[in-house]
Amino acid sequence: AQKITQTQPGMFVQEKEAVTLDCTYDTSDPSYGLFWYKQPSSGEMIFLIYQGSYDQQNATEGRYSLNFQKARKSANLVISASQLGDSAMYFCAVPHSPSPGGTSYGKLTFGQGTILTVHP
Amino acid sequence: DTGVSQDPRHKITKRGQNVTFRCDPISEHNRLYWYRQTLGQGPEFLTYFQNEAQLEKSRLLSDRFSAERPKGSFSTLEIQRTEQGDSAMYLCTSSSRNNEQFFGPGTRLTVL
Repeated sequence: AQKITQTQPGMFVQEKEAVTLDCTYDTSDPSYGLFWYKQPSSGEMIFLIYQGSYDQQNATEGRYSLNFQKARKSANLVISASQLGDSAMYFCAVPHSPSPGGTSYGKLTFGQGTILTVHP
Repeated sequence: DTGVSQDPRHKITKRGQNVTFRCDPISEHNRLYWYRQTLGQGPEFLTYFQNEAQLEKSRLLSDRFSAERPKGSFSTLEIQRTEQGDSAMYLCTSSSRNNEQFFGPGTRLTVL
């Protein structure tokens, strides 16, 4: 079974500052990826960034980047130049890869989430 | 809009009633997933379809829950004899061959 841990229930950051949201994972899959999603109060789940386990470089997407440390099994999300609109719940998630004969390809296991509040 | 759609967006029902939710995935996506998300928690996997075949069901999917995807396109999730503990956001996602899943806006169920 996969386990995703987000140890920060809530984080606060000043507008325009950078913030790091932690995520550690435990998976036996030799080839895996990791997603980060943003969920505003409206409830929609917004894809932010993806890191493949064999990617040589940390993923970046605009103001979002991943601090991916494979040996430590951590993939922390860094948001630079925080904006008020970044206030939301943030989830990391890992998809299952198929086991031999398995059928669970792609289902996501999510962490508990971190609520980010950006102060003006 | 060619994204994943869900209907209704909100549903309020009395305990013991049956409810049905619909999900329309992105048209070329053959994989469809249902998740349930309770307040303050991450989504939890409920069930997975590849085309019209339901290939996996979570232990969370009790006998009161049933999901279908009859023609490999839209899917329905029915909850019979609803309980207050069923109150949650029900999320549908679809994907194609790669891992990226596209989320619908969700159906928020409140059981009184």
